[in-house]
Amino acid sequence: GDSVTQMEGPVTLSEEAFLTINCTYTATGYPSLFWYVQYPGEGLQLLLKATKADDKGSNKGFEATYRKETTSFHLEKGSVQVSDSAVYFCALSELGGNQFYFGTGTSLTVIP
Amino acid sequence: ETGVTQSPTHLIKTRGQQVTLRCSSQSGHNTVSWYQQALGQGPQFIFQYYREEENGRGNFPPRFSGLQFPNYSSELNVNALELDDSALYLCASSTLGTEPYGYTFGSGTRLTVV
Repeated sequence: GDSVTQMEGPVTLSEEAFLTINCTYTATGYPSLFWYVQYPGEGLQLLLKATKADDKGSNKGFEATYRKETTSFHLEKGSVQVSDSAVYFCALSELGGNQFYFGTGTSLTVIP
Repeated sequence: ETGVTQSPTHLIKTRGQQVTLRCSSQSGHNTVSWYQQALGQGPQFIFQYYREEENGRGNFPPRFSGLQFPNYSSELNVNALELDDSALYLCASSTLGTEPYGYTFGSGTRLTVV
């Protein structure tokens, strides 16, 4: 079945440091891949997405590239800010599917 | 346009009781999905409703049930509550056929079972 495995946290970085959160997936069909962010006390917000192999999703300085050969969708940001502190979820959804499969989440804390 | 709203935001129930959680979908959306997010875990799909009928279900027992109303709002009902049902319950609305790109999540209801 479909599943997502992401890097366990928590991750603590200093402001302006480089961020990588690893995500790999298993899928039976042709999934789209997503990164969602959850701030304390809030629901999930879509951060970025990629719909096919070699697509790069980007938003707010975050990037992730859909790598079919390594079944990966790693999240990166060149310079994190305190406001980026949140929990990040990698997720997939199959083409024509009606549900997401989420990873367990990675908590990021950025210190000044 | 209004987003997805859920009520209540928090509640505490006793094991064995029943609970009803409510969700108002985003304007223009006709599908509602429910997810359970246990502490430290990712959200897990419970079920989806479209046109007032269940349109897909995850690996949850029958004591998890739902309703969708003509205005596309929805309820999640859980009977015979267990301690492991303690979680954040997320509702998401979408328009059928736009998934997975058109999802909007609510802020959730935090359920604690004691």
